[in-house]
Amino acid sequence: AQKVTQAQTEISVVEKEDVTLDCVYETRDTTYYLFWYKQPPSGELVFLIRRNSFDEQNEISGRYSWNFQKSTSSFNFTITASQVVDSAVYFCALTASGGSYIPTFGRGTSLIVHP
Amino acid sequence: DAGVIQSPRHEVTEMGQEVTLRCKPISGHDYLFWYRQTMMRGLELLIYFNNNVPIDDSGMPEDRFSAKMPNASFSTLKIQPSEPRDSAVYFCASSLAGEHSYNEQFFGPGTRLTVL
Repeated sequence: AQKVTQAQTEISVVEKEDVTLDCVYETRDTTYYLFWYKQPPSGELVFLIRRNSFDEQNEISGRYSWNFQKSTSSFNFTITASQVVDSAVYFCALTASGGSYIPTFGRGTSLIVHP
Repeated sequence: DAGVIQSPRHEVTEMGQEVTLRCKPISGHDYLFWYRQTMMRGLELLIYFNNNVPIDDSGMPEDRFSAKMPNASFSTLKIQPSEPRDSAVYFCASSLAGEHSYNEQFFGPGTRLTVL
């Protein structure tokens, strides 16, 4: 069985603050893939990043960065200098062969960035 | 590409009526997923298709729900009869299988269903 836990239901920050969204996963498979999606108020989920289990390099894309640590089964997402447009619900997801590569989504973290 | 297209965007109906939600996946994608999102239950996978064939419908809540994919460019999710507890946002998503079927999903804008 596989599971994704996003313990933070809602985070509220003021613009320009850095914020980290936590994601902890469980899987018995050695080959798996982790994803982050963003769901802005308009409603459509948008893909942000994919990571495979063999690549623990952290990734940075502009103000976004991701920290993948197999030792703690975590794939955390940091937004640097947050902006109001970052306000959204963020979902972490996992796919693995044991789950037929069908994504398991976390419950999501609602990020509110105040001006 | 236009992305995943869903219609209608909003649907308000009365209990007992039949509801049909429609989805056009991204051309060339071979997987199609139907999800339901509610505050209480989060994002739930209802059913998914591979090359137009339903693979797993274990997430379909009950027999009132049915889904079809008659061709690679069209899928429907039908609820008959609808009930107030079916009120939710229904998403369709498509993806292209990679070597290990790990590719990301592309979501449609969703259909917000309200059953009175």
